[in-house]
Parts: sequence; C-alpha cells; structure tokens
Amino acid sequence: GQNIDQPTEMTATEGAIVQINCTYQTSGFNGLFWYQQHAGEAPTFLSYNVLDGLEEKGRFSSFLSRSKGYSYLLLKELQMKDSASYLCAVRGPSGTYKYIFGTGTRLKVLA
Amino acid sequence: EAQVTQNPRYLITVTGKKLTVTCSQNMNHEYMSWYRQDPGLGLRQIYYSMNVEVTDKGDVPEGYKVSRKEKRNFPLILESPSPNQTSLYFCASSLELFDTQYFGPGTRLTVL
Repeated sequence: GQNIDQPTEMTATEGAIVQINCTYQTSGFNGLFWYQQHAGEAPTFLSYNVLDGLEEKGRFSSFLSRSKGYSYLLLKELQMKDSASYLCAVRGPSGTYKYIFGTGTRLKVLA
Repeated sequence: EAQVTQNPRYLITVTGKKLTVTCSQNMNHEYMSWYRQDPGLGLRQIYYSMNVEVTDKGDVPEGYKVSRKEKRNFPLILESPSPNQTSLYFCASSLELFDTQYFGPGTRLTVL
C-alpha cells in the first residue's frame, strides 16, 4: 500500500533547530514536497526535492534519500511564527498529477 | 493578484441536497486538484485534472463529481451529500507537472 509517515507533534524552543522526518512508501515517485499550514489556512509551499541530497532555502532545508524512502525538513533559528503544521507530500506515478500527503506534523514553538 | 479562489467558503447543508463548490484560478495553470482534509487523516486527493476535459480519480472519489470545461475552473459537485462528506475542502493548481501546488483558501462544508 501507499503510506507517508511523519510524527504527529513536536515542540521546540524559539531560536533552536528542529528536524521533521518523513518516510514514504508509494507506487511511483516524482518528487517530494514540504508545505506549511497554519491553523485554519491553506497549505503554502516550502520546498521540493526530486533528486537525493539537500536543498537549502534560507532558514529552511530539506533532504531526500530515495533509496531509503526518507526525507526531512530542517528549520533553523526557530521563530514563534513557525508554529504550524508541516505536511510532507509525494507526487506519484509519472504522467499523473496524483499526490499522497502525510497527516502532518504539528510544531509548537515555545518562547 | 495571482490566486486560487473557492466559493462558498463556508456551507451548512442537509443530506441529499445537491451542491457545487466552485474553484477558479487566474494563473493559466494546466493542472488542478481537489482535496479534503480531515483531522488525523491529512489531505486526501479526490479528483484531479491535467487539462481541459481531462479528469481522473484520486484516492477518495466516491460521492464526488468534477468537470473541467474551461482551463480556469474546476468545480466539485456533490450530487447527494452525506454527513461523512463533512470536511474542509481545498482546491489546488499547478502550472506544470513538476511545479508546486497553489492552494485555494478552503471551503468548510457541514452536512447535517
């Protein structure tokens, strides 16, 4: 079957670094996306990996290992506004617009 | 402003009363999709469209219909809504297959 696993909740302190892991088993793989979703709002794009390795974008980085079916999102210099849910999503078989989302990781940033 | 819009934003209805949730994007995006989001289940794809008149099922298509008669619009139709379709619905679109998805603001639907 198809499955994406992420931790349900994480807590970290302002200014710290947090790593949110995502493991996936999907039929077909054409890229892994990370989205941020504040409560009651729409998801917004953070990062995209299709090849193995690290992608860095300011305070956010994302890593992918296709052989391990594993990704992580790294958030540095945490700010209170980073309190949100972080969604891992995989685009499935080639030639389709099929997506599988994880259930999301709710991150609480404490002062 | 480039955006995806959904209407209505909130809807309370009764079992069996047909309804349509509209989705429109002004970015000339080729690809569009509908999701529902439920606590503990995350976002689940209902239907997607890769071009005008081309639609396909996602993971949870039962009880829903879609159409794509024009590039900008992708309405979601519930012919006979039931309480288990109470959910938060998101429409999304992408310019290209490898592009990120841009999400609409969401429609909170309650079926009594």
